[in-house]
Formats: sequence, structure tokens, C-alpha cells
Amino acid sequence: QLQLQESGPGLVKPSETLSLTCTVSGGSISSSSYYWGWIRQPPGKGLEWIGSIYYSGSTYYNPSLKSRVTISVDTSKNQFSLKLSSVTAADTAVYYCARRSDGYNRYNWFDPWGQGTLVTVSS
Amino acid sequence: QSVLTQPPSVSAAPGQKVTISCSGSSSNIGNNYVSWYQQLPGTAPKLLIYDNNKRPSGIPDRFSGSKSGTSATLGITGLQTGDEADYYCGTWDSSLSAGGVFGGGTKLTVL
Repeated sequence: QLQLQESGPGLVKPSETLSLTCTVSGGSISSSSYYWGWIRQPPGKGLEWIGSIYYSGSTYYNPSLKSRVTISVDTSKNQFSLKLSSVTAADTAVYYCARRSDGYNRYNWFDPWGQGTLVTVSS
Repeated sequence: QSVLTQPPSVSAAPGQKVTISCSGSSSNIGNNYVSWYQQLPGTAPKLLIYDNNKRPSGIPDRFSGSKSGTSATLGITGLQTGDEADYYCGTWDSSLSAGGVFGGGTKLTVL
């Protein structure tokens, strides 16, 4: 059974870089044609797609975050990671990692999801 | 302001049926596939429907999805108190600002 688990600091200072890692267990990140994604949810608000990555390193990013986001993959550790630079209080959210559908982007669904990790941006 | 529009809330009595709408445009719902997610309080979203109307293994057939033009609908029959949750639609937007998009979410209350 595929499981995903987010890890990283729960508190980040304004203007610094948020860094999170998603560890995949129960399956290989590179053994299929699935993508792997990051989604966030500010407290009390809806979901926002951040970006997705294929095990080869091919990425898609949310245009509104693209200038600040980097998603990378480490197949040897069965992990993929998120870096978000120059954070502000508006980046405070629960960050989820998830497996994305394989194939074309037009099928863009996510399953399963990690439990999520709250990242607070504050000095 | 979400790209996909959902009603903020819906409600119905136990045992009844409810539908949740998700409205978009030709660049997203109109030419791509829709998925639906259930988020119980304090938990991560869970995939309910993918590819417009397919249910993952383990999702009861009380949940159904449909799409027509630039709108999609989630239907839930035989409502249970355990269905009280936030529901989100999602798809891909193929416009110049291409990327994944979600609706703003709908809070379902089972009276």
C-alpha cells in the first residue's frame, strides 16, 4: 500500500526558503509513469496546486508561484522535495504531497495524499 | 478567487441525495478531466472520483460524478452523518497560465 509522508521545519522566517521532503513507501517513485505533486492549503481556505514532477525530473509549476518554487526528485531515496523561496505570511499553510495520475496532464488527479504538514511563516 | 466555482455550502437530511456543482470554462473542465475529493475535518483530502465519473477502489457507489460542457457535478445518495465534510473539484487548466486547479470547496452539512 503506497504511503507518502511529508517532513521539514514547521516554522520558517519571512524572506527565507521553505524546504519540505516527501518520502514514498510501499512503492518505487520511479517504477511507474506517475507524477508526484505538492498541494497546499492555507488555514481555513481551499486547496492550491503548487507543482508536479516526474521521476526523470520533468516538472510543472503553478504559474503564480513559478518564480519561487523548485521541485526535485531523489530516486535513490524514493523522495521528492519542495523549495519555496522568499516566503511571507501568505505562504503559511498545510503542505501536502501526493501521487499524481500518470499520462497526460488533462487527467490531473491525486491519490494517495500524505497526512500534511503545517508550515508557519513568522519571525 | 478560485478558477473553478463551487457553492460554499450545501445541506440535506440523512438518507437524502445531494449534488455539488463545479463550474469552469473551456480551458479547464471543458477540455480536461475532473476529479473530486472529500476532506473530513482535520484530515488530508481523499480521492472520490477521477476521470469525471470513475470511482477508486473502496469508494461506495453512493458517490457519483458527471460532466457536461464546462460544468461537473458530484452526487451523493443515501447521505450519512459521516459524509459531513468539505468537497473539492479539481482539473487541469490548459490556458496560457496552464496548471492544476481546484474549486474553492463546498461544505456539506448533513442535518
